[in-house]
Amino acid sequence: GAGVSQSPRYKVAKRGQDVALRCDPISGHVSLFWYQQALGQGPEFLTYFQNEAQLDKSGLPSDRFFAERPEGSVSTLKIQRTQQEDSAVYLCASSLMTGVNIQYFGAGTRLSVL
Amino acid sequence: QQQVKQSPQSLIVQKGGIPIINCAYENTAFDYFPWYQQFPGKGPALLIAIRPDVSEKKEGRFTISFNKSAKQFSLHIMDSQPGDSATYFCAAARGADGLTFGKGTHLIIQP
Repeated sequence: GAGVSQSPRYKVAKRGQDVALRCDPISGHVSLFWYQQALGQGPEFLTYFQNEAQLDKSGLPSDRFFAERPEGSVSTLKIQRTQQEDSAVYLCASSLMTGVNIQYFGAGTRLSVL
Repeated sequence: QQQVKQSPQSLIVQKGGIPIINCAYENTAFDYFPWYQQFPGKGPALLIAIRPDVSEKKEGRFTISFNKSAKQFSLHIMDSQPGDSATYFCAAARGADGLTFGKGTHLIIQP
């Protein structure tokens, strides 16, 4: 069966460009999470959706970061006016239902901002 | 404030040995404690998880020990193999919230 799919796998952006990262969760999974993983560090929580509702965006580092999941399935993380410090791997995870916090992760999108 | 502290940062063990990785947490509201394994270029994969109402959980060669009063938990890998060489992360969460991860342990199992 298909796991969590993220695209693109690699993205190179010039400083100041806008980028959009896509996540396709496992079919039927209610919850979707975004994390940022800097080189050699653990993932850090960014934001979380239950269906189309964004329940927690406390981890988004600035107002340049925006996430959406309009139909409760595919999600997009958008970063406006990228900065060098945004360079990281962006991980998406999904879980089947709330109350059962088994999160399945995609392989991530590696963003490099030059 | 780092809410989940993980040690050691790196660990080298001979094949067949028992690597032990330790984590400590601060937020007493956490009630779910998973361990993830990550290989280079891959996303983290869930290994085993525990809730605070039990002190130990075993799945195959992986065991979690949990000490609620000390706010600590650890991962033991029995009969370790070179294929277990990876980065291991402990994590914690309250309910169905996002996970708070430790900084990771880079484990090498020597043949």
